[in-house]
Amino acid sequence: DAGVIQSPRHEVTEMGQEVTLRCKPISGHNSLFWYRQTMMRGLELLIYFNNNVPIDDSGMPEDRFSAKMPNASFSTLKIQPSEPRDSAVYFCASSYFTIAGEGHNEQFFGPGTRLTVL
Amino acid sequence: KNEVEQSPQNLTAQEGEFITINCSYSVGISALHWLQQHPGGGIVSLFMLSSGKKKHGRLIATINIQEKHSSLHITASHPRDSAVYICAVESRKRAGNQFYFGTGTSLTVIP
Repeated sequence: DAGVIQSPRHEVTEMGQEVTLRCKPISGHNSLFWYRQTMMRGLELLIYFNNNVPIDDSGMPEDRFSAKMPNASFSTLKIQPSEPRDSAVYFCASSYFTIAGEGHNEQFFGPGTRLTVL
Repeated sequence: KNEVEQSPQNLTAQEGEFITINCSYSVGISALHWLQQHPGGGIVSLFMLSSGKKKHGRLIATINIQEKHSSLHITASHPRDSAVYICAVESRKRAGNQFYFGTGTSLTVIP
């Protein structure tokens, strides 16, 4: 398996523009996570999906951020309009979650998308 | 107050030393995760545990549910262990599990 695939790897855009980040999870995994990492705030969980359904989006900073998972093999994180404070590295991760289990199994992280908003 | 506290924040060790990184948490737990982030930025999941101890090579993770504390040990440390280690607690809620993250421990192992 190729692992979690994220695109683009780097994105530079101007304030006010729409940004779409993409993620392809590992085949067979049923949970997908979007994280944001900055020097100031460290690693933050934005939203995660189980079986394509958003479970917890309490980490999504504001209405400018939206995430979708139309099928088990694809997810997007959209920022519209983008602002300079959105500059960060955005990670996508996937794992396998069993209802009977205690929690999510090992998460596999993508390489991240480094976003710079000018 | 943060739900997850890690210590130390920064750690420098000589190659070969035994290293311990601590994680204390204040929320109910379903699972605890240890993550490793190398200087290049990639993040790797090291352990997921809900009780007892797990070992993988030179890495050992333990958890004490009663004391709400976990430790990550590295035996015979090596410069390639230099990374940021992040503790994450997964807490079961009615609508789905919630995640809390420590601020990370930056480890530098000197040859």
